[in-house]
Amino acid sequence: NAGVTQTPKFRVLKTGQSMTLLCAQDMNHEYMYWYRQDPGMGLRLIHYSVGEGTTAKGEVPDGYNVSRLKKQNFLLGLESAAPSQTSVYFCASSTATYEQYFGPGTRLTVT
Amino acid sequence: QKEVEQDPGPLSVPEGAIVSLNCTYSNSAFQYFMWYRQYSRKGPELLMYTYSSGNKEDGRFTAQVDKSSKYISLFIRDSQPSDSATYLCAPTWAGTYKYIFGTGTRLKVLA
Repeated sequence: NAGVTQTPKFRVLKTGQSMTLLCAQDMNHEYMYWYRQDPGMGLRLIHYSVGEGTTAKGEVPDGYNVSRLKKQNFLLGLESAAPSQTSVYFCASSTATYEQYFGPGTRLTVT
Repeated sequence: QKEVEQDPGPLSVPEGAIVSLNCTYSNSAFQYFMWYRQYSRKGPELLMYTYSSGNKEDGRFTAQVDKSSKYISLFIRDSQPSDSATYLCAPTWAGTYKYIFGTGTRLKVLA
């Protein structure tokens, strides 16, 4: 039981490049989330999903897209990376209870 | 005014000390109050949570909520070097799975 895994762990992008971050969970959770964590800003919700095939915007969705084609996977895409998207990205999943399980994070640098 | 505020620290204490970590919040509709612990370069993990006002104890940890003053506290007794981490408070509403995370307080327990 791996819990929540994230791929890749680290990435460096140039401005304007695109990439996809993959989140996978093996706990059969309905809800999945993408957060970014920046110094002094805490964790901010980018997008979330309440079930397979659904997505919704969070607090800071601009510049990101998501897809949830399979229940266990939640993908976060950056179409045209900007230096302001340099951050640590965390994926989380949960059931209908209040505990969210977090992945180990992806450190992204955009130069 | 931010919805949730935490002193970022760092807070340095000697081993064995009693630690008090605090959050204030502005939304009186919050009913569940989470505390997450995040070790350096790891994802957050749920430490404990309380519902509405009152205290909840779990081993060396006690969570306290005072809804009248919109104040949340986490007390750690007999603190250990292994407690060195960032502690994030995250209040939420009933019937939702979206948190508002505080920025976190970094704690260092010195051996």
